[in-house]
Amino acid sequence: GDSVTQMEGPVTLSEEACLTINCTYTATGYPSLFWYVQYPGEGLQLLLKATKADDKGSNKGFEATYRKETTSFHLEKGSVQVSDSAVYFCALASQGAQKLVFGQGTRLTINP
Amino acid sequence: DAGVTQSPTHLIKTRGQQVTLRCSPISGHKSVSWYQQVLGQGPQFIFQYYEKEERGRGNFPDRFSARQFPNYSSELNVNALLLGDSALYLCASSFLGRIATNEKLFFGSGTQLSVL
Repeated sequence: GDSVTQMEGPVTLSEEACLTINCTYTATGYPSLFWYVQYPGEGLQLLLKATKADDKGSNKGFEATYRKETTSFHLEKGSVQVSDSAVYFCALASQGAQKLVFGQGTRLTINP
Repeated sequence: DAGVTQSPTHLIKTRGQQVTLRCSPISGHKSVSWYQQVLGQGPQFIFQYYEKEERGRGNFPDRFSARQFPNYSSELNVNALLLGDSALYLCASSFLGRIATNEKLFFGSGTQLSVL
């Protein structure tokens, strides 16, 4: 079945450092790929998405590129801020599916 | 505009009891989904409803059931609670439930269920 694997956390960085959170997936066909963020005490918020190979999703300085050949969707940001501290989830939705399949999440902490 | 609202925010139950969680979708959204998020893990899909009909069900036992009302709100019921049912239960809504397309899924803040 479909699955998503994220790099294990927690990840701790200093402000203005570069960020990469790895995400790989297993799915049949061409799924849509997502990154969601969960701030403390809040629900999940969509950060960015890509619906076909080579698409790049971007939002709030974060980027991720849909790589079909490596089945990956790594999240990147060039300069992180304290306000980026949260749990990040990679997820996929297969064509016609009614559900999102999530990775286990990566807790990110940014120190000033 | 109000987002997805869930009630209650926190709940404590004992093993064997039954619980009902409630969700109100964003106005105009006709699809509601439920997810279970165990501490330290990603959310797991439980149900999706659209226009009061069940569209999808995850790999959960029959103790879990749900329904959607004519006003598109939804309830999740869990019977014969087990310790392992302790989790954050998330509700999400969208207009048509076509999450693999450009339709956006909006999540509530969840109900934290503790089973003692």
